[in-house]
Parts: sequence; C-alpha cells; structure tokens
Amino acid sequence: AQSVSQHNHHVILSEAASLELGCNYSYGGTVNLFWYVQYPGQHLQLLLKYFSGDPLVKGIKGFEAEFIKSKFSFNLRKPSVQWSDTAEYFCAVLYGNKLVFGAGTILRVKS
Amino acid sequence: EPEVTQTPSHQVTQMGQEVILRCVPISNHLYFYWYRQILGQKVEFLVSFYNNEISEKSEIFDDQFSVERPDGSNFTLKIRSTKLEDSAMYFCASRQRTRTASGNEQFFGPGTRLTVL
Repeated sequence: AQSVSQHNHHVILSEAASLELGCNYSYGGTVNLFWYVQYPGQHLQLLLKYFSGDPLVKGIKGFEAEFIKSKFSFNLRKPSVQWSDTAEYFCAVLYGNKLVFGAGTILRVKS
Repeated sequence: EPEVTQTPSHQVTQMGQEVILRCVPISNHLYFYWYRQILGQKVEFLVSFYNNEISEKSEIFDDQFSVERPDGSNFTLKIRSTKLEDSAMYFCASRQRTRTASGNEQFFGPGTRLTVL
C-alpha cells in the first residue's frame, strides 16, 4: 500500500537550532514529493517540491529537502529555525492523481 | 495571487443532516480534489474530479458523499446524512492541466471545519 512515514510527531527546538524532519515513502517508482506547512489557524501552504533533477531542493523561508532515492527518503532541513517556524509540517507524495500525506510533525520553536 | 477559497469556514450540523461544502478553485485549473483531516490525524484523500466526473475516490468516499461542479466556478462536496465521525476539516484543492511535472502542484484552500453534533 502507498504510505508516507514521518518519524517525529512533536519536535521542540530553541531559536537558531538546526532542524531536520524525516520522511520516508513506500512507492518505488517515479515520485513527486512535497512538503507542506500549516501555521496555526491557517491552510496548507507548499514549502517545496521535488519532481526531477537536482535531489537537493530549496524552498521558501530557508527550507530545503534532499531526495535520496535509495533510502526512499525526502527529509526537510533548515539550518537555523525561528520562532515563526512554529507550525505543523506534512510530507506528501503524489501517487497517480492523489496526494498521500504523512501524519505530520508539530514543530514548536522556543524563543 | 489566485487562491482556492472555501465556504463556510465552519459548519455545525446535527447528525443525519445534509451538508454542502463549497469551494471555488483557481480559475484556470481543471483538476479538483477534496481531502479531509480528522482532528489529530493525517490529511486523507477523498476524491478527485476532472472533466465533470470523478477520476478517483478513496474508500472513505462512500455513497453518503457526492461531488458536483454545478457551474463554471464552484466545486461542492455533499454529505447526505452526516455522522459523528464525519467531523473533520475538509480541504479543497485544485491544479492546472499541464504536461510538465511541475504542474502537478495542488493548491489548497483554507478548509471548512465540519462539526457534527
């Protein structure tokens, strides 16, 4: 079955700490990969996406993600988080015409 | 920048009642979707819609659910007889028709929170 796993459900960091959120997916073929963010009270926003080419993808707000095909992973990173990064982060994989989401990781950044 | 809009933002209904959730996709988009997120759970795909018909649906999307594009702008999700377990945030999404992989991005609306009492 198509599935997406996010390893951490809750992450608490201090400002300026580095962030890495893990994401693994089950499908072995060509994939389109996404990270979405949901700030408190707001809707899902696209952070970044991978379709092909350079496996290191840069997104908005200083986020980046690395696609490692051999590990079926698409981990999200940010070198230095800010209080405003407090949000829930969702990894998603496009299977055919539908997005399959991971369970989400709630990030809280302490100021 | 064009956005997907949804109304209402919050809908409260009694169990057994019918509800219609409304979405206005981005105007040049041709693929439309509904997803839902039960509180504390992951976002789940419900249905995709293209060329005035359902192109894919999940196991969740049973006979109680239906979708419609009644005019050139709206895309609706109807739940005929709501159950307590239908309480969730419902997200509409749309994407353009394109042959490039980058066109696979789905743009999400702000969601409608449905509460079934």
